[in-house]
This record gives sequence, C-alpha cells and structure tokens, in this order.
Amino acid sequence: DVKVTQSSRYLVKRTGEKVFLECVQDMDHENMFWYRQDPGLGLRLIYFSYDVKMKEKGDIPEGYSVSREKKERFSLILESASTNQTSMYLCASSLLDSNSYEQYFGPGTRLTVT
Amino acid sequence: GNSVTQMEGPVTLSEEAFLTINCTYTATGYPSLFWYVQYPGEGLQLLLKATKADDKGSNKGFEATYRKETTSFHLEKGSVQVSDSAVYFCALSPLGTSYDKVIFGPGTSLSVIP
Repeated sequence: DVKVTQSSRYLVKRTGEKVFLECVQDMDHENMFWYRQDPGLGLRLIYFSYDVKMKEKGDIPEGYSVSREKKERFSLILESASTNQTSMYLCASSLLDSNSYEQYFGPGTRLTVT
Repeated sequence: GNSVTQMEGPVTLSEEAFLTINCTYTATGYPSLFWYVQYPGEGLQLLLKATKADDKGSNKGFEATYRKETTSFHLEKGSVQVSDSAVYFCALSPLGTSYDKVIFGPGTSLSVIP
C-alpha cells in the first residue's frame, strides 16, 4: 500500500519560532509537493520538487523554504512562524513518468501559530 | 491558463439520494482529470481519474466521464450513504512535464443525512 507520512498531525508553535514539517513517501516518487489548505481558499501550492536538491516555487512561497536532501523526504520550513501561517499543510508525491500524474497525499499537519 | 470550476456547496442530501457535483475545466490540449475526496481530518485521496476524452472513471459507486466537447467531468453517484460525507475536489493535470502543477477546484462539501 502506497504511503505518504507527515511528522505531526497537530502542531502548536509560537510566533517567531522556526518550524519544520517533515514528509516521507515510500513509493520512490520523483515529485513531491507542499500545499496549504484554508477554508474558502482551497489548496494552494507552496513549493514542489522534482528531484533531490531541486525545488520550484509554487503560488505562495513567501515565508517558506524547503529542503530535499533525499528522494523520499521533503521538508517544509517556516523560518519565523507568524499567525497568518496557521493552516492545514498537506504533502503529496507523484511519479515523474506517468500517463496521468496523480498525486498521493499525506494525512496533513494542522499547524496553529499563537 | 488552466483552471477548474466546480459547484462549491455545501450540498446536503438524504441517504440514498442521487448525487451530481458539476465540474468544468479550461485547459489546452488533453489534460488528465481527477476527483479527490477528503474525509474529515484527513488528507486527500484519489477517488477516480480519466486520462482521455470519453474515458469513464469509476470507484466506490462514483462515476465521472471525461467530456471534451463540454469540457466537463461531473461526479455522480446513484445512491449516497452517510459515509460519503466529505469534501470532493475536481482537479486536472495539464499536458507537459510531470511537474506541471495539478490544478484543484475549490472543493464541494457534501453532507449526507440519515
């Protein structure tokens, strides 16, 4: 069974803290993605990566950075957390070579910044 | 550019009612089309997909047909259950490199009451 796991389901951090969200996939997928999901705004792409050490900005990269040192792991970093980064964060992965490129999602991390 | 439009809901149905959630898209060429489902507190799961015109995707009693002439991919189920209560996302994957962004619709919340 394919699996995308995220390090925490719930996380509470203080304003100004550095926050790490980890995502691991066991499907040997080349592509990995970080989204945030907010009521009324749907899914918004923060960053994605199509290879180790490669990254591309999505629609809302400001305030975030990412790291992909190993193929199976993609980390999202909030350098200095702010209250407007309170959200549900979803990680996903997909194959590079596919006829449909469907994405497989983790369970999500609900982050609250106080 | 590429986009997905779907009815936002919320949609409330009685158990065993017929479900239709409309989805239309704008894209160049022949994108792949998807329906994802998100149960409360969880990440997104792929429900069904179609990769070319006139394909019908189906899973768990849900169906959707890729209609190129009307640029639509409406989700249907003949008899909904309480366990189908979730948020449903229509999505497309444009042609091109596999790390082209998947475009998600805003999601449609479905509540099924006994």
